[in-house]
Amino acid sequence: GQNIDQPTEMTATEGAIVQINCTYQTSGFNGLFWYQQHAGEAPTFLSYNVLDGLEEKGRFSSFLSRSKGYSYLLLKELQMKDSASYLCAVLDSNYQLIWGAGTKLIIKP
Amino acid sequence: SQTIHQWPATLVQPVGSPLSLECTVEGTSNPNLYWYRQAAGRGLQLLFYSVGIGQISSEVPQNLSASRPQDRQFILSSKKLLLSDSGFYLCAWSVQGAHTGELFFGEGSRLTVL
Repeated sequence: GQNIDQPTEMTATEGAIVQINCTYQTSGFNGLFWYQQHAGEAPTFLSYNVLDGLEEKGRFSSFLSRSKGYSYLLLKELQMKDSASYLCAVLDSNYQLIWGAGTKLIIKP
Repeated sequence: SQTIHQWPATLVQPVGSPLSLECTVEGTSNPNLYWYRQAAGRGLQLLFYSVGIGQISSEVPQNLSASRPQDRQFILSSKKLLLSDSGFYLCAWSVQGAHTGELFFGEGSRLTVL
């Protein structure tokens, strides 16, 4: 079966750095995506990795290792507005998105 | 620019009543359209997707149905709601033929079945 694993919840301090991990086992791989979802709102696209390595976009970076079936989202200089759920999703061989359950990130002052 | 809207935002319905959620996309043509359901603590569950007018693929057998009467309109329906249909429903679109996982979501509709 297809599976995406990520921690259920994480807590971090304002101004700090946090890394959210995601491991996956899917039928094929055509890219990995990170989405941000604030409580009660729709997910919004954050990043896309299809090749191994690090993609940086401002305070957010996403890393991929296809051989290990592993990705992480790195958030720097945390702000209170970063409190949200972060969803990891993989595009499988049929170009269907397989979604993780999301990691709820709590930022404390 | 492209926009996507879905309504109603919240809905409280009795068991056995019908359902109609609507979604429209503006600013793009021939998009892929999706209906997802999100349950607490679980990943997004794809219910239906459509690559064109009248073309609907169902991912999960259930008492829900979807229709695409126009290029940029996607409707989720049920004739008789079940308690298990409660959840957060999300409509989304993506660029046709792009084989991308970059989806653009509507605001979501929270359905409570009592």
